[in-house]
Amino acid sequence: GAVVSQHPSWVICKSGTSVKIECRSLDFQATTMFWYRQFPKQSLMLMATSNEGSKATYEQGVEKDKFLINHASLTLSTLTVTSAHPEDSSFYICSARAPGAGTRRSNQPQHFGDGTRLSIL
Amino acid sequence: AQSVAQPEDQVNVAEGNPLTVKCTYSVSGNPYLFWYVQYPNRGLQFLLKYITGDNLVKGSYGFEAEFNKSQTSFHLKKPSALVSDSALYFCAVYGGATNKLIFGTGTLLAVQP
Repeated sequence: GAVVSQHPSWVICKSGTSVKIECRSLDFQATTMFWYRQFPKQSLMLMATSNEGSKATYEQGVEKDKFLINHASLTLSTLTVTSAHPEDSSFYICSARAPGAGTRRSNQPQHFGDGTRLSIL
Repeated sequence: AQSVAQPEDQVNVAEGNPLTVKCTYSVSGNPYLFWYVQYPNRGLQFLLKYITGDNLVKGSYGFEAEFNKSQTSFHLKKPSALVSDSALYFCAVYGGATNKLIFGTGTLLAVQP
């Protein structure tokens, strides 16, 4: 089955530090990857859509200079939280989707990484 | 606007009993519907999907879901619950002609031994 690896799983760092989170699709090529943020006991909030070889599409209210996304290859997307502050503490989850049959809305499910728990002191 | 509703924050069921986790949706066109499960401090695991065809979809771990177009529902079911099924369940739909997966608010399933 499709496997998505997310690393690291847990980060604790000081305020002002930049943190990079990696998301890899291990056994399939993902033209599109997604980054979500999840607050305790809440649903997933889509932050941005990452397309291989092009700029990420950010959701309204998400600061693109704060959350830098790079999708340099078909198997790797990275999210960098720049100058992180305590309010950035959250659970960040990536997902990847194999390409569909040429339609914009793919019938392929998204496959999720195990998430990164980010704690900023 | 596209949306997914999970009306129950929590569902409690005794082990061995059947379980149902409810989901209704509102989306233009034909919906692509999904169920995911999340264990504590983990990402989401794909359970099953409905794209087209038979209304009853079978998925992982003995779960199934029934697509009901007239009621715009996609309830998750399992004939006999296990304690290990206790987790957070999310219903999701692809919204219209976009890449975005719209999630419900999640339902916490608690299976008592």
